[in-house]
Amino acid sequence: QQQVKQSPQSLIVQKGGISIINCAYENTAFDYFPWYQQFPGKGPALLIAIRPDVSEKKEGRFTISFNKSAKQFSLHIMDSQPGDSATYFCAGYNFNKFYFGSGTKLNVKP
Amino acid sequence: EAGVAQSPRYKIIEKRQSVAFWCNPISGHATLYWYQQILGQGPKLLIQFQNNGVVDDSQLPKDRFSAERLKGVDSTLKIQPAKLEDSAVYLCASSLGPDRGLGNEQFFGPGTRLTVL
Repeated sequence: QQQVKQSPQSLIVQKGGISIINCAYENTAFDYFPWYQQFPGKGPALLIAIRPDVSEKKEGRFTISFNKSAKQFSLHIMDSQPGDSATYFCAGYNFNKFYFGSGTKLNVKP
Repeated sequence: EAGVAQSPRYKIIEKRQSVAFWCNPISGHATLYWYQQILGQGPKLLIQFQNNGVVDDSQLPKDRFSAERLKGVDSTLKIQPAKLEDSAVYLCASSLGPDRGLGNEQFFGPGTRLTVL
């Protein structure tokens, strides 16, 4: 059973554009929703995270929008840059366990 | 602060051979995770340790995979015998432990890329 579903699988965005990645979750017990960024040959690294009692969190060009009633959350990358090209994973967390989405490969064209 | 260390970085073996991976978590991190990441997929939890005890190994193929975390610090993951479908990146991660608010951030190592021929 996949507890976190992520879309799209891949995304191509022009430099300066907005990248949007969506996730939906099943488990209402999740109490922490991180996004990870992974470059080829590297392990995932935490990018930004949110608690379900907040509807939006912004850090620089990265924003998480959270809709608790719809059990959905999304990552927005404003002014996307070629250096943002990576694979992004969303996750849900509870009881010290993380459940990952399947990943989105982002390619930002110069 | 040193990150999560893993070795080797790459390993190529024949099917039915055995292989072992090593992980040294961030100092003071009580929770250690081993994940399997197949190309194009998200990390899948294999086993989770809290100090030197197993918290969850429900998705570990116990007929061929084993893991230990002696003394609650570094850990080894072993596969014996390996199958073709075990080809993947094996990621180790660590965190402070449960109930740390946003301090329950996971830190990942660089991973070991295993190819089974």
